Amino acid sequence: AQTVTQSQPEMSVQEAETVTLSCTYDTSESNYYLFWYKQPPSRQMILVIRQEAYKQQNATENRFSVNFQKAAKSFSLKISDSQLGDTAMYFCALNTGTASKLTFGTGTRLQVTL
Amino acid sequence: DADVTQTPRNRITKTGKRIMLECSQTKGHDRMYWYRQDPGLGLQLIYYSFDVKDINKGEISDGYSVSRQAQAKFSLSLESAIPNQTALYFCATSDSGTGGTDTQYFGPGTRLTVL
Repeated sequence: AQTVTQSQPEMSVQEAETVTLSCTYDTSESNYYLFWYKQPPSRQMILVIRQEAYKQQNATENRFSVNFQKAAKSFSLKISDSQLGDTAMYFCALNTGTASKLTFGTGTRLQVTL
Repeated sequence: DADVTQTPRNRITKTGKRIMLECSQTKGHDRMYWYRQDPGLGLQLIYYSFDVKDINKGEISDGYSVSRQAQAKFSLSLESAIPNQTALYFCATSDSGTGGTDTQYFGPGTRLTVL
């Protein structure tokens, strides 16, 4: 069985600053994929970024980047130049590919302040 | 238009009632999923379907059933709703042909309240 742990229930960051959200996971599979999803107050689940475990290079999408440490089973999300619209719940998720099922962490609530 | 739609968006029902939540997608994806989200928790998988004839139970399938009417439609039923099924329900889709990434895309969610 796989697990995903997000140890920061809530975080706050000032606009234009940088924030890092933590995620650790556990799986016995060698082929898997990791995702960060954002859930704003509208409750829509929005894909932020994804990382293939076999790729050594960390994924980036505009202001969003990850720090993927495979040996440590760590997958943190860095948000640069934070904007008010980044205020949301952020969920880390693991897909082990063969079963194609997402396992989610419990989320981190991020508040961006002026 | 949204690629993944869910109806209804909000529903209030009473204990013991049968209720159906519907999901449609125009993404052309073959795989569809139903998740449940409770406050303070991540999403939990209820059922998933890899094609019209392939339906599988997820981690919390008790009290739920599903029907894959077509590749683009996947409905979730609560045969006899109970209050602890009050939650936010999400439908998601993915494409098995995307080189293995199998990224899931979510609908807008249905807020269900069982009184």
